This record gives sequence, C-alpha cells and structure tokens, in this order.
Amino acid sequence: EAQVTQNPRYLITVTGKKLTVTCSQNMNHEYMSWYRQDPGLGLRQIYYSMNVEVTDKGDVPEGYKVSRKEKRNFPLILESPSPNQTSLYFCASSLSRTGNIHEQYFGPGTRLTVT
Amino acid sequence: SQQGEEDPQALSIQEGENATMNCSYKTSINNLQWYRQNSGRGLVHLILIRSNEREKHSGRLRVTLDTSKKSSSLLITASRAADTASYFCATSQETSGSRLTFGEGTQLTVNP
Repeated sequence: EAQVTQNPRYLITVTGKKLTVTCSQNMNHEYMSWYRQDPGLGLRQIYYSMNVEVTDKGDVPEGYKVSRKEKRNFPLILESPSPNQTSLYFCASSLSRTGNIHEQYFGPGTRLTVT
Repeated sequence: SQQGEEDPQALSIQEGENATMNCSYKTSINNLQWYRQNSGRGLVHLILIRSNEREKHSGRLRVTLDTSKKSSSLLITASRAADTASYFCATSQETSGSRLTFGEGTQLTVNP
C-alpha cells in the first residue's frame, strides 16, 4: 500500500531533550516536506527536500533540522525542544521534484507536547 | 498573511444539502489544490485544478477557478455525515518555486 508513515504518533517530552520524528514513504517520491499545524495558524511548512542530500527551509525552520540521506526517509530533528514547538506535525511527499505539480501525500501526523 | 484564505471558517448543513466553500488568494498561481482533513488526521488530496482550467469534477465534488478574481470554490453536492471534516485550499504560486501554501481551512459539519 502506498503510504507515508511517521513515528512516533504521539510524544510527550521535556524542554531540551533532543528528539527525532521519523518519516518514510514507499512511493519513490522525489519531494518530501514537513509541516506543523497549529490552531488559528493553519499548516506551515518547516523544511522540504527536492532530492537526496538537498534540503531547504520553509516558513518556520527555526529550532528544527532535517536530513535526506535516502530517498525514502526524511527525519525531523528537534535538537533542543521548547514548549512553543508543541504542535501537530505532518510529513508529506510528492511525485515531482518541485512538490507543487502533483498532489502531496500526507502521513498520519505526530502530536508532540513539550513541557 | 496566508496566500489561500478559505471562507467561511465554519459551515454547518443538513445531510443532503450542498456545501460550498471558497478560497481566495493574492498572487498568480500555477495550480490550486483542495485537501480534506478528518479531525487530527493527515490531509487527503481531493482535486487539483491548473491555472488554465476553469472547472473540474470528481464524483460529488466540483471545483471552479476564476484567476481574474483570484478565487476558487469547492462544491460538495448531496452531502453526507461522512463529509464532516476540515477542507483546505493550497496554492502553488508562480514565484514560490516548489512550495504549496495552505489556507486555514473551512470546518464543515454535516448533520444527519
């Protein structure tokens, strides 16, 4: 089944404790992206990647890191999480390198709480 | 400010009625996409309309695009309780390279 998977689905952590949210897609998509969704602010892009070893900042990259060592994986790293990073996070992928020509496929989401 | 802004923010209708949601945007686009999100879940792509298209259909969905007014509408006909969800428009701007910009969504509630 074609899908985007994220792990963990739920995470409660404390300020400053490094964490990684994994994202994997099995559709051989070129483009991958991370979003955060907050009430009243909609969906905002954190980082995206158009190819292996190519990543770019989105609208809200501060406090986050990403890597794209393999085509299928695009982990999101919070080196020192803070309470303002409490949010619902989505990974997405798309067939085309630019990510905006075809539809994006979204993962199920990761609900992160930082205390 | 958001490139895509949906209107209304919330819509409540009875089963069987039609639901219309609108999206306005500010700059020229390559395409506009509509997504659906059930509470707390990932977004699901519904339909993509390109800037040179005016109308597209998919099942009970009808999307229109008016580039002169920089607006789009999503019509769901004969709504069902299962259509209850948030609906987002996303624009691919000519100047934004590879990104999609999402609006804040319309919360649709279909009452049985």
